[in-house]
Amino acid sequence: EAGVTQFPSHSVIEKGQTVTLRCDPISGHDNLYWYRRVMGKEIKFLLHFVKESKQDESGMPNNRFLAERTGGTYSTLKVQPAELEDSGVYFCASSQDPRDGYGYTFGSGTRLTVV
Amino acid sequence: LAKTTQPISMDSYEGQEVNITCSHNNIATNDYITWYQQFPSQGPRFIIQGYKTKVTNEVASLFIPADRKSSTLSLPRVSLSDTAVYYCLVGPNQAGTALIFGKGTTLSVSS
Repeated sequence: EAGVTQFPSHSVIEKGQTVTLRCDPISGHDNLYWYRRVMGKEIKFLLHFVKESKQDESGMPNNRFLAERTGGTYSTLKVQPAELEDSGVYFCASSQDPRDGYGYTFGSGTRLTVV
Repeated sequence: LAKTTQPISMDSYEGQEVNITCSHNNIATNDYITWYQQFPSQGPRFIIQGYKTKVTNEVASLFIPADRKSSTLSLPRVSLSDTAVYYCLVGPNQAGTALIFGKGTTLSVSS
C-alpha cells in the first residue's frame, strides 16, 4: 500500500509569505498527526485529527498556523505569515489504531526554510 | 503522557548486539511502549511495540519487565545501516492519542 505522502519535500520562502504544506495519509487511516522538528530540537507534536475533526491542537505554536482536513482525507498545514522561527522539518503521520502493533506511519517530511 | 529517559548516544561495531534501555517510571496502566527509528532526512519508522514481557519481530526484540517502568530494545547483529536515532515512546493510552517524542538515542555503528 502507498505510504504517507508529503508535499512539497522542500520549501524556501521569505519572512511574511504564506506556505501550505500537504499530507496524504494512508487510505483508511482515521488518525492524522502533524509534528515539527526545529533544528537541534526534539520532534514536537502539533496537531491530531480524527477524520475531519481536530482531536488535539494543543501543540500548535500560535494562530499563524492553520490546519485543515476537509473530508477526512488529506490535510493541509498553512503558515501565514511565516516567521524565521518557523523553519524546520514538518512531519505528518497517520494511523488507524496505533495500538495495533503497527504504530504510526510517518511521511518523509517537508523541510521549510524561512529566510 | 509518561516521560521517557534514554541514553543520548551509543556506539557499536558491526555484528554486535545492541541493547538500548529506556526508563518510563510514570507509565500508565494502559500505555503501550513503542520504538521508532529515524534516519537523516526521513520520518521516524515504526520498529516494534509491546505492552509487557517480550515481543520479537524480524527487526528487533523488546523486553519489558513486570513493573513496566523500563524497556529494552535489542537489535541483533547490527550493521552500518542501523546507524540512526532510536526513540522510545509510551502511549497512546487510548486509540488516537498523540505520541510524544523525547530526545532519542543516537546509535553509531562502525566497521
